[in-house]
Amino acid sequence: TQLLEQSPQFLSIQEGENLTVYCNSSSVFSSLQWYRQEPGEGPVLLVTVVTGGEVKKLKRLTFQFGDARKDSSLHITAAQPGDTGLYLCAGASNQGGKLIFGQGTELSVKP
Amino acid sequence: SAVISQKPSRDICQRGTSLTIQCQVDSQVTMMFWYRQQPGQSLTLIATANQGSEATYESGFVIDKFPISRPNLTFSTLTVSNMSPEDSSIYLCSVARGDTQYFGPGTRLTVL
Repeated sequence: TQLLEQSPQFLSIQEGENLTVYCNSSSVFSSLQWYRQEPGEGPVLLVTVVTGGEVKKLKRLTFQFGDARKDSSLHITAAQPGDTGLYLCAGASNQGGKLIFGQGTELSVKP
Repeated sequence: SAVISQKPSRDICQRGTSLTIQCQVDSQVTMMFWYRQQPGQSLTLIATANQGSEATYESGFVIDKFPISRPNLTFSTLTVSNMSPEDSSIYLCSVARGDTQYFGPGTRLTVL
């Protein structure tokens, strides 16, 4: 069974601080997606990483896919209140299109 | 990407009744998925709905409780049958483009 362990589950920080969210697995994934979800909305895709060792940047967000494609991280620099939300990692499973989701990280950035 | 709409966006229902949630996509897709999500928590897959075949349900979910229709490549419905307060949740549909999924805005269901 493929599992994704996401940590931390809750994070409350002050504006301007940096943070990192981790997703780890013992399984290899062909790709991994990161989503952000705000209350009352569906998850919105931030990035897809597919190559081991890949690093992608989206403004203040940096995403990394592990060399062995078993883990990924999301780093936010100088967090802002607008970054508040639920962050989800999801790996493409070996079962025909399904995604394996991590437990989610509830981020709160206080002004 | 894909533009996905869901109806209704929210509803409050009485115990024992049923609610059908609609999911419409702006382009044809083969695979559609239905998820359940408790507020602030991750997503749990209910079933995969492919056009022209029976939906495939995950462990813990059955067709009698969550019947799904997939009449064409742009539309699907999920019915939550004989509802109880434990069914109160957010229900989301998604579509697959390669390995990536794109989600609808969700339907927030409250069962009294």
